[in-house]
Amino acid sequence: KAGVTQTPRYLIKTRGQQVTLSCSPISGHRSVSWYQQTPGQGLQFLFEYFSETQRNKGNFPGRFSGRQFSNSRSEMNVSTLELGDSALYLCASSFIRGTTEAFFGQGTRLTVV
Amino acid sequence: QQQVKQSPQSLIVQKGGISIINCAYENTAFDYFPWYQQFPGKGPALLIAIRPDVSEKKEGRFTISFNKSAKQFSLHIMDSQPGDSATYFCAARTGNTGKLIFGQGTTLQVKP
Repeated sequence: KAGVTQTPRYLIKTRGQQVTLSCSPISGHRSVSWYQQTPGQGLQFLFEYFSETQRNKGNFPGRFSGRQFSNSRSEMNVSTLELGDSALYLCASSFIRGTTEAFFGQGTRLTVV
Repeated sequence: QQQVKQSPQSLIVQKGGISIINCAYENTAFDYFPWYQQFPGKGPALLIAIRPDVSEKKEGRFTISFNKSAKQFSLHIMDSQPGDSATYFCAARTGNTGKLIFGQGTTLQVKP
């Protein structure tokens, strides 16, 4: 069974640009959550999607957004990139929200220059 | 109240020794406590998890001890091996959400 797939693995963007990251959950999993990992702040929750609806949102500015498609694949978008957005962005999938284990992808390393 | 506090920040253990990492929480609504292991360049991998209705769970060399009254839980790695060298994160979640609250992480180095 394939794991969580995140694309691209690495990304370099310029300040002010926007970026879209993709996450394909484990087959059959319907819940997708996104996290930002930085050395200073650790792992921080961004948002959670289930059945194409955002169910929960972390404490991030509106520049961070996401969506989920009918096949459970998810994308997150960051607009007007800032240097501080440089981080490892991780996607986690679970069968259904709140009651089952969450499995992480390898992440997308975003560098903003 | 949403925080999970993890200690120590770093840990050095000799091969064959016991590694112990501790976490504490405040929110009594948390009802699921997983531990994740992360190697450089990889995403966190689920190691073991516990719910507050049990005080201990063991899987191979990894054991979670849970103290509900003290609102603390810990990971014990028995017979630590150099291959266990990684960063370990505790986390907590309430049952009606997929949102995980993570501790700050512990970097474990197991010396041969």
